[in-house]
Amino acid sequence: AQSVTQLDSHVSVSEGTPVLLRCNYSSSYSPSLFWYVQHPNKGLQLLLKYTSAATLVKGINGFEAEFKKSETSFHLTKPSAHMSDAAEYFCVVSDEYTGNQFYFGTGTSLTVIP
Amino acid sequence: GAVVSQHPSWVICKSGTSVKIECRSLDFQATTMFWYRQFPKQSLMLMATSNEGSKATYEQGVEKDKFLINHASLTLSTLTVTSAHPEDSSFYICSAFGADSSYEQYFGPGTRLTVT
Repeated sequence: AQSVTQLDSHVSVSEGTPVLLRCNYSSSYSPSLFWYVQHPNKGLQLLLKYTSAATLVKGINGFEAEFKKSETSFHLTKPSAHMSDAAEYFCVVSDEYTGNQFYFGTGTSLTVIP
Repeated sequence: GAVVSQHPSWVICKSGTSVKIECRSLDFQATTMFWYRQFPKQSLMLMATSNEGSKATYEQGVEKDKFLINHASLTLSTLTVTSAHPEDSSFYICSAFGADSSYEQYFGPGTRLTVT
């Protein structure tokens, strides 16, 4: 069965410090993995995606994530947090076995302290 | 490319009335669209998969007679909330597979429904 676990419901960092948002997944087949960001009362914006190519994926706004099959993880990182990064972040897994249906994690709320 | 729009972005209706939400793929054809519901500070919950020219597939626990989905063309899917009640108030988001991809979903900006 496919599932996603976002280990932290809330993360708080100071501006200019690194960001780490953790995501572990479960998938019976080769997964596709995504990170989306959602600002208050807004839709979802794709940050980055992994689809069986390079395991280190670079996304927009300085974010990147590394696919680690042995750890079934896809953690999102950013070297230096900006105030505008404060938002809700969702990790998503899908695979061909389920018709590429998206399975969402419960989300991580990121707070950036000035 | 792969832009998905929703209309309206925000709607208020009275209990007992019906509300229709449109989801359009603006620059591509979408044979499959998805409807999600999101409660405040919670994750997205898949409600149904909308297939052009056929009946929607609803997730377990979603009332198909209450949430009517019509996917009449390759660029338009509609969700009608019938006989709305305050507990139907939520953020509704649609998505579609892009024309160049069957694994990435492109999301609309969402529709905020408030039932009074």
